[in-house]
Amino acid sequence: ETGVTQTPRHLVMGMTNKKSLKCEQHLGHNAMYWYKQSAKKPLELMFVYSLEERVENNSVPSRFSPECPNSSHLFLHLHTLQPEDSALYLCASSQDRGAPDTQYFGPGTRLTVL
Amino acid sequence: GENVEQHPSTLSVQEGDSAVIKCTYSDSASNYFPWYKQELGKGPQLIIDIRSNVGEKKDQRIAVTLNKTAKHFSLHITETQPEDSAVYFCAASEADGGFKTIFGAGTRLFVKA
Repeated sequence: ETGVTQTPRHLVMGMTNKKSLKCEQHLGHNAMYWYKQSAKKPLELMFVYSLEERVENNSVPSRFSPECPNSSHLFLHLHTLQPEDSALYLCASSQDRGAPDTQYFGPGTRLTVL
Repeated sequence: GENVEQHPSTLSVQEGDSAVIKCTYSDSASNYFPWYKQELGKGPQLIIDIRSNVGEKKDQRIAVTLNKTAKHFSLHITETQPEDSAVYFCAASEADGGFKTIFGAGTRLFVKA
């Protein structure tokens, strides 16, 4: 169905925990994205990596820390989160650099912060 | 800043009827407009897209129209089926590229059998 996979699919964590979300794309794309999806709100772009270099950081709190070790893998490290950070976190990838292009999404990680 | 408005937020139709979802965008430099369908428990999936050099594009029961002058674009689904029930998102991308795509807030479509 999709060339973008995300793990875990569900995560429950306390505010003092540290956890990581993982994304892997099998499409040979150069760019990868993290989005936050909250109920009844537009998708919020968090970070963009192109060729393993961070090119967008949309004023995301430092308790979210992205990592892109190579063009196929993307991580989102979480620490000291707040209950309002509970949401669906979506990873996406796209092929080209510097041109509007189709993004392919993973299934998301449903995060609940207690 | 850039904005995409999407209406309606919820749409209920009878099976076999048509469904229309409308979006407006604020950045006149936008030139790529994808539509995504998100089913329960899944990520958004591209269903159709249009670039600014055309006014209409059709793929079987799905069509998209674009009015660049008015900064409007719409999704039309004909002969709706229960499996069309999902949340649909419109989006607009800036013409200077980069990676920023602005999404609408979504339309939850219910198709009643």
